[in-house]
Amino acid sequence: NAGVTQTPKFQVLKTGQSMTLQCAQDMNHEYMSWYRQDPGMGLRLIHYSVGAGITDQGEVPNGYNVSRSTTEDFPLRLLSAAPSQTSVYFCASREGQLNTGELFFGEGSRLTVL
Amino acid sequence: AQTVTQSQPEMSVQEAETVTLSCTYDTSESDYYLFWYKQPPSRQMILVIRQEAYKQQNATENRFSVNFQKAAKSFSLKISDSQLGDAAMYFCAYRRGEKLTFGTGTRLTIIP
Repeated sequence: NAGVTQTPKFQVLKTGQSMTLQCAQDMNHEYMSWYRQDPGMGLRLIHYSVGAGITDQGEVPNGYNVSRSTTEDFPLRLLSAAPSQTSVYFCASREGQLNTGELFFGEGSRLTVL
Repeated sequence: AQTVTQSQPEMSVQEAETVTLSCTYDTSESDYYLFWYKQPPSRQMILVIRQEAYKQQNATENRFSVNFQKAAKSFSLKISDSQLGDAAMYFCAYRRGEKLTFGTGTRLTIIP
């Protein structure tokens, strides 16, 4: 059971370039989300989805787009990367119906924007 | 907006001793969930323990237990019989509805 899989694990971009961080889960979870982790700031929610076709903004959504065409996949798009987006990104999922459901995290993707 | 505060950026403890990590949160809600996550150097986020706000009994998972003080909005984590493998960043988190809010973390060092 793979759980939550993120790709790539490392990426270096130049300012203005675009890229997509991929996230896939094989647990049939309804809820998926993206966080960024910066030193001294903990994890902050970027976007989340409660099911296919439904997405919503989190705490720091600017500069990021998401879509949820399938239950399994929840890609995060950076349309025009900026140095402020240098961070470690985590995708996470959980069952939608259980309020106490554990959040399962991917291994993270380290993004550097030069 | 909910905020979660971890006032101890770093803590250290002797192996086999007990350590308590502090967490406070701010909310006007009565129904919510609290979590402690561990992040070892591998970067993987691992759930340590969770507490439902409507439960008065403190959650316990083996060597890990919490002291949940709802009126004081406090949620501390106690690690008993500390082991070298407990060395990690520990994050307190609050959940209401679909959003999970994290504290800034406490780095725990285990002294052999």
